[in-house]
Amino acid sequence: QQQVKQSPQSLIVQKGGISIINCAYENTAFDYFPWYQQFPGKGPALLIAIRPDVSEKKEGRFTISFNKSAKQFSLHIMDSQPGDSATYFCAASTTGGGNKLTFGTGTQLKVEL
Amino acid sequence: GAVVSQHPSRVICKSGTSVKIECRSLDFQATTMFWYRQFPKQSLMLMATSNEGSKATYEQGVEKDKFLINHASLTLSTLTVTSAHPEDSSFYICSAPLGGRAYGYTFGSGTRLTVV
Repeated sequence: QQQVKQSPQSLIVQKGGISIINCAYENTAFDYFPWYQQFPGKGPALLIAIRPDVSEKKEGRFTISFNKSAKQFSLHIMDSQPGDSATYFCAASTTGGGNKLTFGTGTQLKVEL
Repeated sequence: GAVVSQHPSRVICKSGTSVKIECRSLDFQATTMFWYRQFPKQSLMLMATSNEGSKATYEQGVEKDKFLINHASLTLSTLTVTSAHPEDSSFYICSAPLGGRAYGYTFGSGTRLTVV
């Protein structure tokens, strides 16, 4: 029940295209859903996060879509750029001090020219 | 913003020796620190949770005697890999909840440990 399933495992997108990564969760107590971007040899960096009281959140080229009834959320990267090539992780946690994040398995994104 | 400073970024050690990794919270107090291990092309695996002033909580399958965690102050948590072996070679990352009004987590930059 603690798992967060992420797909696809890898993704190749042409420059300017839309990258879409999907995640699904089981634990209905989760109420914080962040996406992290990780470059090789670096720690994860927060990209964007959403709480379940909204269905969509947009920050620049990055959008999270959240479907509470389906227990799914996705990351859309508009106008994908080669610099977006990285590994992306979805995650989930419950509100409250010190609660751990449960990570998805990761998606390796490559944006080609 | 809240930053966790992790050192060293890379370390190479000989089998049988111990290595200490430090994570310091800058401009905020980290009462809790999460320690992760990440193998190449895999996700982050939570190893343990440390709380300032108390014993760390280890995830199932993680040897507490091999991975010693100390959280002696509100700004410093350390992970010591004792009697390191080549199979301990991995990328270790710490993370702290932001706390206060800000919800979320900040991550250290990671430590690449290579045991030869």
